[in-house]
Amino acid sequence: EAGVTQFPSHSVIEKGQTVTLRCDPISGHDNLYWYRRVMGKEIKFLLHFVKESKQDESGMPNNRFLAERTGGTYSTLKVQPAELEDSGVYFCASSRDSSLGSYEQYFGPGTRLTVT
Amino acid sequence: DQQVKQNSPSLSVQEGRISILNCDYTNSMFDYFLWYKKYPAEGPTFLISISSIKDKNEDGRFTVFLNKSAKHLSLHIVPSQPGDSAVYFCAACRSGGYNKLIFGAGTRLAVHP
Repeated sequence: EAGVTQFPSHSVIEKGQTVTLRCDPISGHDNLYWYRRVMGKEIKFLLHFVKESKQDESGMPNNRFLAERTGGTYSTLKVQPAELEDSGVYFCASSRDSSLGSYEQYFGPGTRLTVT
Repeated sequence: DQQVKQNSPSLSVQEGRISILNCDYTNSMFDYFLWYKKYPAEGPTFLISISSIKDKNEDGRFTVFLNKSAKHLSLHIVPSQPGDSAVYFCAACRSGGYNKLIFGAGTRLAVHP
């Protein structure tokens, strides 16, 4: 079974530019999550999709961030316009149906975003 | 307000000995807890989990203990191996559709020969 994949692995952009991150979850996982780790601190939740619907977007920092999951498969996270404080590692994770009593999430390798 | 705390940023253990990583939480609504292991430039890897209806879960060299009254959990690794050297994150969530994981800041474990 292929794991969660993310693209690109690293992106360097200037302040004010736009960047789009992509995540492909594990096949069959309806749940998809985005997290961010800034400056080696704790990993923070951004949002949660169930299939193509946003279940929880309480962690999204502001309206410069837009996440989509068209068709309930892969997801994109767009940052527009990027600011210096957006720098960090963006992780995507996926999981099976939690109604089965299992809450394990499986993470991708992350995209390191550097805004200069 | 940090709801999940790992107060030890680092831990050094000799190979073959036991490693004990600690985690405290403040939100009594959390009822599922997970440990993840992270190597540099990789994503967190799921290690072991425990539901609040249990106080212990074991998987090979890894055991997680949960003390609900103290809002404390710990991860025991025995025997520790050099390949266990990584950053360990404690995470918590609520069941019932609230799937988001709340992470601690991590503890860097170094296992030396």
